[in-house]
Amino acid sequence: EAAVTQSPRNKVTVTGGNVTLSCRQTNSHNYMYWYRQDTGHGLRLIHYSYGAGNLQIGDVPDGYKATRTTQEDFFLLLELASPSQTSLYFCASSEDRSNTEVFFGKGTRLTVV
Amino acid sequence: GDSVTQTEGLVTLTEGLPVMLNCTYQSTYSPFLFWYVQHLNEAPKLLLKSFTDNKRPEHQGFHATLHKSSSSFHLQKSSAQLSDSALYYCALSVGGNEKITFGAGTKLTIKP
Repeated sequence: EAAVTQSPRNKVTVTGGNVTLSCRQTNSHNYMYWYRQDTGHGLRLIHYSYGAGNLQIGDVPDGYKATRTTQEDFFLLLELASPSQTSLYFCASSEDRSNTEVFFGKGTRLTVV
Repeated sequence: GDSVTQTEGLVTLTEGLPVMLNCTYQSTYSPFLFWYVQHLNEAPKLLLKSFTDNKRPEHQGFHATLHKSSSSFHLQKSSAQLSDSALYYCALSVGGNEKITFGAGTKLTIKP
């Protein structure tokens, strides 16, 4: 089964702080995604990538940057964190073919105080 | 753009009763539809997905039928179990899975 590992699992930072969330997948999937999960909004796509060096903008990208350094590693960067970015963040990966399963990591709970 | 609508945010049922969670979608193209389930403190995982040949997908007693005429992919189960309590997401993708759009989710609670 596909393995997607996120770190850290929990993070508290102050408003205006700098945060990096990390994600590694070990199944050679081309696609990787960052989602945020909020009650009433479900899973919303922040950024995604289909390979090293590639970055695509999702539906809620404001305040976030992302980098895909290798096929395995995808990072989400919050350079000036705000309380509105307090959320549960999921990284995910999938193959690049139609109708295929997306595999999620266990999530990172970020609190901005 | 593509969108998915799940009309119920919260659904509470008694064990043994039938389950139906609604999902409708809007898409310019002919999308693939999915149901993901997320149990408490776990990651979302695939429950079932639509087939290209119109077969009805089934898993763990759940099934869903893709109705292109009404743009729907409702999730059903004949008899709810306590272990079905979870958050359920309907989702769609178009073409090469480049971008997957999720609905807002339905929290299903099954009571004894």
